[in-house]
Amino acid sequence: GAVVSQHPSRVICKSGTSVKIECRSLDFQATTMFWYRQFPKQSLMLMATSNEGSKATYEQGVEKDKFLINHASLTLSTLTVTSAHPEDSSFYICSAVDKTGAVQETQYFGPGTRLLVL
Amino acid sequence: QKEVEQDPGPLSVPEGAIVSLNCTYSNSAFQYFMWYRQYSRKGPELLMYTYSSGNKEDGRFTAQVDKSSKYISLFIRDSQPSDSATYLCAMTLKGGYQKVTFGTGTKLQVIP
Repeated sequence: GAVVSQHPSRVICKSGTSVKIECRSLDFQATTMFWYRQFPKQSLMLMATSNEGSKATYEQGVEKDKFLINHASLTLSTLTVTSAHPEDSSFYICSAVDKTGAVQETQYFGPGTRLLVL
Repeated sequence: QKEVEQDPGPLSVPEGAIVSLNCTYSNSAFQYFMWYRQYSRKGPELLMYTYSSGNKEDGRFTAQVDKSSKYISLFIRDSQPSDSATYLCAMTLKGGYQKVTFGTGTKLQVIP
C-alpha cells in the first residue's frame, strides 16, 4: 500500500516552455501532498504544500507564479513549471499523506521527475 | 547551524557489517522521526518511523531516538550490497501533515 506515482519520470524541454508534472496517490486518498526539489548531492527542499480544494502554501523564496500547483482531487496534484529556464533543471519529487492509513504521520514519496531545461 | 546535521559520507563497509547512521538536530520540538532510503535518481522510500524517544526494530533495521541528546540513529545489521544507497533522516513537529525537515543524507556503499 501507500504507493505514489509521478508522471513523467523525466522530461527535456526548451527554455521558455511550460512543463506539467503529475503526482498521484494510487491506493489511498491524500488530502495533503507536498512538492520538493532536489539538486544533485543535496537534500530535499520543500517547495510547497498542496491541500485538496484549496490554494497551495509556498515556502519562502519559491515563486508561486512560476510553480503552479493544483490539487483537484484526493488522488492527484499537479505542478506546472511555467516559462522554464535552465536553472529550473532539477529533480522534482512529490509526497502524500495517507489520511486513512495506519501510519498517518508520515509522507510517502513518488519516484521523482527529472526536468532538464535546455 | 542547520536544523538537522547528517554526515554526508560516503561510508563504505564490507558485506555483513553492522552499519550505524546518525543525525543530530537542534529543534527540541521535533516529535516524529523517520529514515528514508534513496537510490540514485529515485524518490525516497520510507524505512523506519518513530514517534518520540525509544527504539524500533524492523528486520535488519533498528531506529533509535534519544530526544534528550537530540540524536537519532539507524542501525543496519548484516548489511547487503543492495543496501547501498543514500539514507536520509527526517523529522517533523506534529506528524505527516507538517513540513518535513531532512538531513542531507549519508551515502552508504556495501562492498561484496
